[in-house]
Amino acid sequence: NAGVTQTPKFQVLKTGQSMTLQCAQDMNHNSMYWYRQDPGMGLRLIYYSASEGTTDKGEVPNGYNVSRLNKREFSLRLESAAPSQTSVYFCASSDYDRDGGYTFGSGTRLTVV
Amino acid sequence: GENVEQHPSTLSVQEGDSAVIKCTYSDSASNYFPWYKQELGKGPQLIIDIRSNVGEKKDQRIAVTLNKTAKHFSLHITETQPEDSAVYFCAAKLSGGGADGLTFGKGTHLIIQP
Repeated sequence: NAGVTQTPKFQVLKTGQSMTLQCAQDMNHNSMYWYRQDPGMGLRLIYYSASEGTTDKGEVPNGYNVSRLNKREFSLRLESAAPSQTSVYFCASSDYDRDGGYTFGSGTRLTVV
Repeated sequence: GENVEQHPSTLSVQEGDSAVIKCTYSDSASNYFPWYKQELGKGPQLIIDIRSNVGEKKDQRIAVTLNKTAKHFSLHITETQPEDSAVYFCAAKLSGGGADGLTFGKGTHLIIQP
């Protein structure tokens, strides 16, 4: 029962480099989310995908792109990393049709130098 | 949209005492209120939730109360133990709010003093 799996767990990037954060869930959930967590800011929604084939912007989408590859997988891409994107990134999934809670992954700690 | 305020930001209690974390929400159409616990280095984990047709829900040492009139809900932890030390997040979801309908509070760092 893996739940939500995120890779990598840690990453250091230089300013201007690109990378993709991977997320996969095995609970057959329709909806998937990407959040960033910064000290004192709580959890801020970057992008979400209500169902396979759809994606929408959240509160802080600038500098990011996403792909809902299939029902299981939802990736987050940083095209040109900036120090302001240093954060902990969490992927989550839910079956929102039934007003269910979110299941979170264990996070990716990203540092941009 | 929905706005969730959470207090306090930090709470320190003696082991064995009770802890209470409070949240208020702005939209009376919200109908689902989960609480998450985040331990150091881990992702948030759902610990208890309540729906708007219920006033209180208990699960062993944890309880959540909801006051729809005042638009606030609270997490109560009794007989606190060292393993309760963590960051706790409340959230509220608008009825029919769609996939992005869950709004989080900014979190409470609960510290259990031995």
